Amino acid sequence: DTEVTQTPKHLVMGMTNKKSLKCEQHMGHRAMYWYKQKAKKPPELMFVYSYEKLSINESVPSRFSPECPNSSLLNLHLHALQPEDSALYLCASSQGAVGPPETPLHFGNGTRLTVT
Amino acid sequence: RKEVEQDPGPFNVPEGATVAFNCTYSNSASQSFFWYRQDCRKEPKLLMSVYSSGNEDGRFTAQLNRASQYISLLIRDSKLSDSATYLCVVDFYGSSNTGKLIFGQGTTLQVKP
Repeated sequence: DTEVTQTPKHLVMGMTNKKSLKCEQHMGHRAMYWYKQKAKKPPELMFVYSYEKLSINESVPSRFSPECPNSSLLNLHLHALQPEDSALYLCASSQGAVGPPETPLHFGNGTRLTVT
Repeated sequence: RKEVEQDPGPFNVPEGATVAFNCTYSNSASQSFFWYRQDCRKEPKLLMSVYSSGNEDGRFTAQLNRASQYISLLIRDSKLSDSATYLCVVDFYGSSNTGKLIFGQGTTLQVKP
């Protein structure tokens, strides 16, 4: 069982909806991540938080808005998404702050998002 | 050149076979290397970190070649349950010196009875 918990597991939303993805870890990890994964492709980095501060934004469109309320929680707020945003959204955490060296990522089960 | 490159395969091997995957990376400053395994419609799971001296975990052996900038994964005595996609992960530091972990496209392994 994963120690990074993501909710919901599945989400269907319209292009005008606002929704949020949630991620929680209680391993005391200091870095948290959002990745996006399309079918048959590797995960693509979206955002990195290190010590609750945004350290990396991979030029993600503003319709995706991350939030890190505290060291255990990470949210991804979604608004006005497009059908091509449909994907598996993976949250991950790692023990250290962003490196070097980097510590391994621990992934949640992911949220499978469908935008209609 | 892609930051992290893998042969996507698929590698189709019989049970009991030995199979090896390579992964090349472009940034000579990279310091952290990992192999992950991903089953269909599941999240990636850490298989092993890769250390400079090479390391082994049961049937799995990982090697790092800094001079040629590649890492490898060797699986001995393949099991049906080894069938999955194997993802190479490498750290990458851009001009801002802010690190990030980059995934290769993955190598698919299918072990057949």
